[in-house]
Order: sequence, then structure tokens, then C-alpha cells
Amino acid sequence: DADVTQTPRNRITKTGKRIMLECSQTKGHDRMYWYRQDPGLGLRLIYYSFDVKDINKGEISDGYSVSRQAQAKFSLSLESAIPNQTALYFCATSWTGSDTQYFGPGTRLTVL
Amino acid sequence: DAKTTQPNSMESNEEEPVHLPCNHSTISGTDYIHWYRQLPSQGPEYVIHGLTSNVNNRMASLAIAEDRKSSTLILHRATLRDAAVYYCILRDENTGNQFYFGTGTSLTVIP
Repeated sequence: DADVTQTPRNRITKTGKRIMLECSQTKGHDRMYWYRQDPGLGLRLIYYSFDVKDINKGEISDGYSVSRQAQAKFSLSLESAIPNQTALYFCATSWTGSDTQYFGPGTRLTVL
Repeated sequence: DAKTTQPNSMESNEEEPVHLPCNHSTISGTDYIHWYRQLPSQGPEYVIHGLTSNVNNRMASLAIAEDRKSSTLILHRATLRDAAVYYCILRDENTGNQFYFGTGTSLTVIP
């Protein structure tokens, strides 16, 4: 069973639509992260959360919002999707006191 | 944010050692050096990390230069399953646990 799950795994949507990507973890970690990966590039941090009441912007937060509904759940929203948000999105978790991050399988999002 | 520089790609023969280099000349004294790898169609996975001393684990070894401006990930015997993109990352202590991924090194393992 996967410790970090992401839903959906694939999504095609149209410009202007609101989209939510969800991440759940069973690792008991307090910290969660959202990254995006564009073809041929490394991952860039969108938002991160160190606990339920803590939300922080990463490198590229414009056009995105997040919600930490519980320690185990962290959602990423695109309020009005645009084509240049087409990318692979990864959720990751870690716990206070460790540098190691554990990544989910990714969500492939296409905005037409 | 501290940056790293890696070769875009490398090749290795199966069952031979692989040395993946990384330059990080602007590293600060408290930055940890992390290595992750990303297999095709998967999320990144942790490989190893260190601060000053060389480190070994079941997956790899990490050799850190004395001045800490470069490091080398060593895979002792490459297998076909080691074909992946390898990222060298500096954790910026001043920004919590943020990682700054570069473009990594794409490792091809030749049978």
C-alpha cells in the first residue's frame, strides 16, 4: 500500500476551470509539500505546510492555492486553470527532525 | 537559494561503479547535501544525504569534498534499475525544509 497517494493520477481540463488535486498520506508526517515538474526540468516548490495551521508559499505559488484539511491531507487548487499550468504535480511529506521527503506518484495535469 | 550544477547525462556499463558529480560552490556552512533519484514515471525517492563527512548506506555512498564545494554520489555496481535522473540538492536551513531541485543528471545504464 502506498504511503503517499495522489488523486487523480491524470486529469485533462479546459482553460478557466477550477481544479483540485488531492494528496493523502498514512506516514503520520506533519509536513507536506506540493511541487510541479515541467518536461526536462527539475521539481519546483509551489506550497508547503509544516502543520495543519501553517501554510507557506514556495517558489511558484502564483495561480495556486492550498488547503491543509487535516494532518494527513493537503490539497492543491487551481482556481482558473491556464495552459501553462500543464505539468506533472507531486505531493511530498516529511516529519520534523528529518530532511527526507517522501513523494507521491504524481498527477499529470493537462490544461487545454 | 543555493544552487547545484550537474552534468546533464552520463552513461555507465552494468555492474560497474558510477560516480555522479555535483558542484555547489555557494554552499553555506549549514546546508546539507541531498541526493534523490527519479525513476521513469515515478516520483523522486531519497538516496542519501550528508553534511561534512562521507556517508554510506545500502543504496550508495556520498563523498563530500573537504571544502564542501562539490560532492560525488557513488553507485558501487550499477544495475539496469539504477537508470534514472539523479538530483543533487542543497537544503536551505534558512527556508526550513525547502528543496531546490536542478535539472539533475540522467543516468543510462548499458547492459
